[in-house]
Amino acid sequence: AQTVTQSQPEMSVQEAETVTLSCTYDTSESDYYLFWYKQPPSRQMILVIRQEAYKQQNATENRFSVNFQKAAKSFSLKISDSQLGDAAMYFCAYRRGNDMRFGAGTRLTVKP
Amino acid sequence: SQTIHQWPATLVQPVGSPLSLECTVEGTSNPNLYWYRQAAGRGLQLLFYSVGIGQISSEVPQNLSASRPQDRQFILSSKKLLLSDSGFYLCAWIEGPGELFFGEGSRLTVL
Repeated sequence: AQTVTQSQPEMSVQEAETVTLSCTYDTSESDYYLFWYKQPPSRQMILVIRQEAYKQQNATENRFSVNFQKAAKSFSLKISDSQLGDAAMYFCAYRRGNDMRFGAGTRLTVKP
Repeated sequence: SQTIHQWPATLVQPVGSPLSLECTVEGTSNPNLYWYRQAAGRGLQLLFYSVGIGQISSEVPQNLSASRPQDRQFILSSKKLLLSDSGFYLCAWIEGPGELFFGEGSRLTVL
């Protein structure tokens, strides 16, 4: 089974600064999707950004961007100009077909 | 637009009692449906997924079961709850090659 690893259980960033959350995954497939989800205290899972493995260009959504390194099986999330509302659990996820796996999550704290 | 609903939102049950969590998707047809469990402060564990009516795949052997009696309905059940069943349960659906869309979640506390 594919595994997704988030090596940082907790991260902290100063408001307006930049932070990078790490994610690595294990797969023998070449075609798949990668995602970052945000889970605020409300527990609702919110999609932050997605990346198709066949695309070489890194995905970007406003202040959120990824560094997708396919050969290294790495998929990090960069949050620029961090805001207090960015504080949440962040989950990295892998999907191929019906199989969707999540990492253990990184808890991000934003300091004012 | 598509929506997904779960209920109940919160549930407190004694050990040994039965469980039924329901999930309904609206605005789509033949979605792939998923049940995940999230223990306190931890990641998401895939419990079951379904690609169609009556089709259930189990990822983790345990005292939970799932059923899909209708195209857009997915039910998570247990005949006898254990303390270790406590957690936050999330239903989700996928249509096509994209991402998972999640329901609001159901918080289960087993005492």
